[in-house]
Amino acid sequence: DGGITQSPKYLFRKEGQNVTLSCEQNLNHDAMYWYRQDPGQGLRLIYYSQIVNDFQKGDIAEGYSVSREKKESFPLTVTSAQKNPTAFYLCASSPGQGGTEAFFGQGTRLTVV
Amino acid sequence: GENVEQHPSTLSVQEGDSAVIKCTYSDSASNYFPWYKQELGKRPQLIIDIRSNVGEKKDQRIAVTLNKTAKHFSLHITETQPEDSAVYFCAASRLDMRFGAGTRLTVKP
Repeated sequence: DGGITQSPKYLFRKEGQNVTLSCEQNLNHDAMYWYRQDPGQGLRLIYYSQIVNDFQKGDIAEGYSVSREKKESFPLTVTSAQKNPTAFYLCASSPGQGGTEAFFGQGTRLTVV
Repeated sequence: GENVEQHPSTLSVQEGDSAVIKCTYSDSASNYFPWYKQELGKRPQLIIDIRSNVGEKKDQRIAVTLNKTAKHFSLHITETQPEDSAVYFCAASRLDMRFGAGTRLTVKP
């Protein structure tokens, strides 16, 4: 079953703890993206990667980190430096380096208490 | 970086009417403009897209138009149905993909 998988669907963490969100795809896509979705603010780009071992900051990268050691995987770490981490996080992938459809995972809702 | 603005933020229409959502973008190098539909609790899904070398594209009740000179593109939904109710996002892409803030469309039966 091909697709893009995010886990877990719901995640709870205490304030001050780092947390890593998983994103895996078996679509053989080169590009992967992380977005944050807050009510009324659409999808804001956190980081994106066009190729293994390379990634670029998006519009709201502060307090987040990523890695792209494998083509299939693009984990996002929400660090304690992120001031307001509670949000819905969406991962996406696309075949090429821009200019192609992005396929989304089902999202992870992170709640920090 | 690219900046995408989307209007209106909410839109309510009667079943059978048309709905139009408009977006503008800032980066003239953007070459791909998709539209996504997101139903409550679900992931965004592509409904139609257009590339910079095309001015208009239609798929049944949905159409998208692109004006590269003015840097704006629009989504048109005709003969709206209650199942069209959702949040719609436009996006502009070159090497990355940036989205508008979304439009919540409500189709009243």
